[in-house]
Amino acid sequence: GAGVSQSPSNKVTEKGKDVELRCDPISGHTALYWYRQSLGQGLEFLIYFQGNSAPDKSGLPSDRFSAERTGGSVSTLTIQRTQQEDSAVYLCASSFRGQNEKLFFGSGTQLSVL
Amino acid sequence: QKEVEQNSGPLSVPEGAIASLNCTYSDRGSQSFFWYRQYSGKSPELIMSIYSNGDKEDGRFTAQLNKASQYVSLLIRDSQPSDSATYLCAVPLYSGGGADGLTFGKGTHLIIQP
Repeated sequence: GAGVSQSPSNKVTEKGKDVELRCDPISGHTALYWYRQSLGQGLEFLIYFQGNSAPDKSGLPSDRFSAERTGGSVSTLTIQRTQQEDSAVYLCASSFRGQNEKLFFGSGTQLSVL
Repeated sequence: QKEVEQNSGPLSVPEGAIASLNCTYSDRGSQSFFWYRQYSGKSPELIMSIYSNGDKEDGRFTAQLNKASQYVSLLIRDSQPSDSATYLCAVPLYSGGGADGLTFGKGTHLIIQP
């Protein structure tokens, strides 16, 4: 695709349910990033992948959050037992190797936990 | 944890005037600095990067860096209503360059008044 694709664009779930957010990066981009943006807040770094490896998972807010990437392409962010404070826009970005400061963002998934 | 501080605004500037956006950062080891623009309801996009002390100009945009004072600024000349957006300052998550991922400030909301 031409850009970073995220799905779903909107997700409404009940507290305690699990959700999966998907990111399809730009073809050829080796690095992939997950951020979270709450209303009125900045971008909170969650995790990044270089290939299929996630060197630093310390940004994940709790053990309810996990992420994986397969084939050096698509990534899935999973939130288990969702809480209301998980409500936010989850943004995925990718970058080309050697240009790690130029992040191309997807349009995000708006997660609402009722 | 690296910190990037910005005045959240809103900063209101008349059309045609110069808009000045400021950012300070906590890590003296940071070597590169970035400005992203985020329109309401959209994803961030990279507009300027700067690596050396001094000024870097790109069209109506000028980035200024002062490493001794640990601040970076963005000037927008001849401000247009289309410049109204939130401007995010960012530095690499990890010192040493070639790193993966950025940490962002909370952003300054800029409003250009026609």
